[in-house]
Amino acid sequence: GIQVEQSPPDLILQEGANSTLRCNFSDSVNNLQWFHQNPWGQLINLFYIPSGTKQNGRLSATTVATERYSLLYISSSQTTDSGVYFCAVEQGTYKYIFGTGTRLKVLA
Amino acid sequence: GAGVSQSPSNKVTEKGKDVELRCDPISGHTALYWYRQSLGQGLEFLIYFQGNSAPDKSGLPSDRFSAERTGGSVSTLTIQRTQQEDSAVYLCASSLEYSQRLFFGSGTQLSVL
Repeated sequence: GIQVEQSPPDLILQEGANSTLRCNFSDSVNNLQWFHQNPWGQLINLFYIPSGTKQNGRLSATTVATERYSLLYISSSQTTDSGVYFCAVEQGTYKYIFGTGTRLKVLA
Repeated sequence: GAGVSQSPSNKVTEKGKDVELRCDPISGHTALYWYRQSLGQGLEFLIYFQGNSAPDKSGLPSDRFSAERTGGSVSTLTIQRTQQEDSAVYLCASSLEYSQRLFFGSGTQLSVL
């Protein structure tokens, strides 16, 4: 089956810093989404981004489907950005396969 | 409803007992998903419903697991004869249609003693 790898696995930032999270997938996909799981376990949908670039406030995402990767940019990080970031891909088989996750900690 | 609702939020049970977990999707969402997340791990796909039909049940870990959806709305995940390895957070998500943006509930933390 498809492999979905995220990097880095862990990231520690000082408040105000910028970061880039990467999601690589081993096969072509129809759809891709990014999620933030906060420290209380709630998963929040950040982007639905099968291709192209989208921005939402301090967050933006780019998916290059032909090269099988997606990037999530976080600018001017805040402590509330802490948690785990997951990408999830779908290949036309109904199920979204989740990546390995990036655990982010933002220090005040 | 305003969001995906799951109940109970926590369930502690004894090994060998049966449990039922409930999911109320966002009103009007036709697609519904169940995932499982073990402590500190990623999300494992269990089953997907389009309306009341489950085209793919291959993610269910064993025949002790079953799920149904009625009226194109509420879904129930049932685990029979629970085992300690079933301990995890069970997450439900819904989307307007197949493969659209997923919205997750806050999950059911299942602990099997």
